[in-house]
Amino acid sequence: DTAVSQTPKYLVTQMGNDKSIKCEQNLGHDTMYWYKQDSKKFLKIMFSYNNKELIINETVPNRFSPKSPDKAHLNLHINSLELGDSAVYFCASSQVGQGGYEQYFGPGTRLTVT
Amino acid sequence: KQEVTQIPAALSVPEGENLVLNCSFTDSAIYNLQWFRQDPGKGLTSLLLIQSSQREQTSGRLNASLDKSSGRSTLYIAASQPGDSATYLCAVGGSWGKLQFGAGTQVVVTP
Repeated sequence: DTAVSQTPKYLVTQMGNDKSIKCEQNLGHDTMYWYKQDSKKFLKIMFSYNNKELIINETVPNRFSPKSPDKAHLNLHINSLELGDSAVYFCASSQVGQGGYEQYFGPGTRLTVT
Repeated sequence: KQEVTQIPAALSVPEGENLVLNCSFTDSAIYNLQWFRQDPGKGLTSLLLIQSSQREQTSGRLNASLDKSSGRSTLYIAASQPGDSATYLCAVGGSWGKLQFGAGTQVVVTP
């Protein structure tokens, strides 16, 4: 059983288009995250939702809009795609509590903007 | 501002040798520290999670230590195997589970 899944795995699109990436977790966790891994393989957090509420919003262009319809799902919508948005986007989930819990990552979505 | 550094950036060892991977962080006010493994083109696999109150965690051939006061963690992999070849990432956990990652150590274990 896949714990954290993402669709699609690959996304190739042209500049200016709008695209969405979906994430689902079946671990019963209350918190979900989006991370971006750039071309230099550096991972950085973008957003986090706890029980459908946005709690972490890093310095990300407002072309990126996360949405969490329920605790098990977190989607990422990107408007007016730019070349610099090309990266691998990872979804993750955890059960956040005192001391923090182990974070589990999805397989990633490789976005290529041409 | 928290900064996480991993040294060395790359490491090549012959099979059977022990691996020592280092991670340092600038702000000791952390909730936990997590070590991950990433294979090329793949996602992240969690290896070990150390809570801020713990000094070490062990799983099989892996052992990770944490010294919050000095801002350091070390991942030891005993008796390395070619299958251990991957990039190893250290991530420091802050409030609400926010992870800040180091740049990783790329490990190659030669048969």
